Amino acid sequence: ETGVTQTPRHLVMGMTNKKSLKCEQHLGHNAMYWYKQSAKKPLELMFVYSLEERVENNSVPSRFSPECPNSSHLFLHLHTLQPEDSALYLCASSQDVGGPGIEQFFGPGTRLTVL
Amino acid sequence: QKEVEQDPGPLSVPEGAIVSLNCTYSNSAFQYFMWYRQYSRKGPELLMYTYSSGNKEDGRFTAQVDKSSKYISLFIRDSQPSDSATYLCAMELIFGTGTRLQVFP
Repeated sequence: ETGVTQTPRHLVMGMTNKKSLKCEQHLGHNAMYWYKQSAKKPLELMFVYSLEERVENNSVPSRFSPECPNSSHLFLHLHTLQPEDSALYLCASSQDVGGPGIEQFFGPGTRLTVL
Repeated sequence: QKEVEQDPGPLSVPEGAIVSLNCTYSNSAFQYFMWYRQYSRKGPELLMYTYSSGNKEDGRFTAQVDKSSKYISLFIRDSQPSDSATYLCAMELIFGTGTRLQVFP
């Protein structure tokens, strides 16, 4: 595997379910991100991790819970979601959070539908 | 005022045309500027990366940054149908809405 991978690619869940999204980067980067992409809206930055430590949390509802066990893996745990949470969830990595290594490499995304 | 403004399009051009895509931003502290291309049902891929003001060219693509005007541009020369995608500008970690481009044969 190369680059950034995400599983599953598609997920349908009810509002009472608990599920997790997984992201893995094979680029040796130090920073990882979760973004939400909804139609006709800019990418919304949700969480930022640098060397496994969360450095930014942009007022994301607590029903989204990130986990970064090491610099290569990132999870997004989901519980009691709402239909408006349906979107494409993108994972990205970069060499560093700031400075010249900030260009990001994205995974293919998980298309989430909440019924 | 939004941090980044980008016309969502769609922009429809004939094959071979020169395409100009633009973004404006409000935060003068941004130093790093990126353009990403996103095909349907795929994640964004990095297309161009520029530091501070100036031009950068890569094949048919040219990125321009004018920090004094807080304005960045992406030019695509000799556009091809394969260039049909959504183009996202980014100022560090802040993205525009994306401009959908269609190049017809």
